[in-house]
Amino acid sequence: LAKTTQPISMDSYEGQEVNITCSHNNIATNDYITWYQQFPSQGPRFIIQGYKTKVTNEVASLFIPADRKSSTLSLPRVSLSDTAVYYCLVGSYTGTASKLTFGTGTRLQVTL
Amino acid sequence: DSGVTQTPKHLITATGQRVTLRCSPRSGDLSVYWYQQSLDQGLQFLIQYYNGEERAKGNILERFSAQQFPDLHSELNLSSLELGDSALYFCASSTSDRRSEKLFFGSGTQLSVL
Repeated sequence: LAKTTQPISMDSYEGQEVNITCSHNNIATNDYITWYQQFPSQGPRFIIQGYKTKVTNEVASLFIPADRKSSTLSLPRVSLSDTAVYYCLVGSYTGTASKLTFGTGTRLQVTL
Repeated sequence: DSGVTQTPKHLITATGQRVTLRCSPRSGDLSVYWYQQSLDQGLQFLIQYYNGEERAKGNILERFSAQQFPDLHSELNLSSLELGDSALYFCASSTSDRRSEKLFFGSGTQLSVL
């Protein structure tokens, strides 16, 4: 299972773009990269998922370089409500089992 | 709303007791995961079930057990409870029929062991 490394915390002002990078040096060929957002006392919520290059949805973009050893979650123009913990998860369903383990995540604090 | 239902939302009990946490996955999802999150800790994977069968085990204590029933709901049993078992317990579900796995989490059960 690929181990992930993220910054423990980040601070940003409202309206700025925030980029959170995750390192996953031993990512496997079949592994996908998924990001989740968690607010206090709530379950994590899926944000975005990708395999390679760039993926964009209505809330975020995910940039994955060619070697796939890292990925960057980009949150455009953050607001106070984006204050949360962001988890990078690397894994895949192998057909027999999937053991999706979260790292410690990145605590994003957005202020005015 | 993720579509995953966990009950109860809160549970207060004493050391040495036994409790059961329940999870109903999203309609159509065959896989259920259990996670434990202690204060200021990340999510610790406990166990996964797929269509009634245990598929993967994480850092689950021997005092803990789980099962998935034919209707696909799952229960996590915690016995001989200790103070350190106080945590948020999350259930997640997924379809598990494709390489890319997206987890949908319930709102959790807050367990307090006094």
